[in-house]
Amino acid sequence: GEDVEQSLFLSVREGDSSVINCTYTDSSSTYLYWYKQEPGAGLQLLTYIFSNMDMKQDQRLTVLLNKKDKHLSLRIADTQTGDSAIYFCAEKMGGSYIPTFGRGTSLIVHP
Amino acid sequence: NAGVTQTPKFRVLKTGQSMTLLCAQDMNHEYMYWYRQDPGMGLRLIHYSVGEGTTAKGEVPDGYNVSRLKKQNFLLGLESAAPSQTSVYFCASSRPTGTNSPLHFGNGTRLTVT
Repeated sequence: GEDVEQSLFLSVREGDSSVINCTYTDSSSTYLYWYKQEPGAGLQLLTYIFSNMDMKQDQRLTVLLNKKDKHLSLRIADTQTGDSAIYFCAEKMGGSYIPTFGRGTSLIVHP
Repeated sequence: NAGVTQTPKFRVLKTGQSMTLLCAQDMNHEYMYWYRQDPGMGLRLIHYSVGEGTTAKGEVPDGYNVSRLKKQNFLLGLESAAPSQTSVYFCASSRPTGTNSPLHFGNGTRLTVT
């Protein structure tokens, strides 16, 4: 069955890089997504990667995909206090109506 | 564009009361979803719809009903609220499968059942 795993917490110092990791089980996943949830708000799409890509960069965000190990990571460069949030990894198989979400990683950025 | 709008934002119910949560999207999306979010549980899918007039059960459908009478609206009903339904409810919508179709979320409804 499908399963997406994430560690629950990550604490970093302001200015450092953050790396949030995610593992998934279904090798037929087509798209993999990262969402950000700020306190009291809904989930916002941060970035995505198509399964035939290894890397995607968007300003401070870098997504790495290791298909062999079914491992996805989100790197945030120069982490700021405004990056404190919960980050969700999600996978969606081709032809499926429903994405599978991880439980989310709480990123805490301290001065 | 407003995106996905949920009403109300907050609600307190007594056990046994009923209510309807409203979700509206203005992106002409085919698919709509209702999730609940509880601490340590992540997002759990309650019901979803792949088009006007169609609904299907998700992971945790018991105690909830839904309707999709219009493409842009997806309603979640609680007929007899229970304290276990205290949660934050999120509605989401997306384009059809086969394209890059991320979910677009509303800002949530915070429901407390006493």
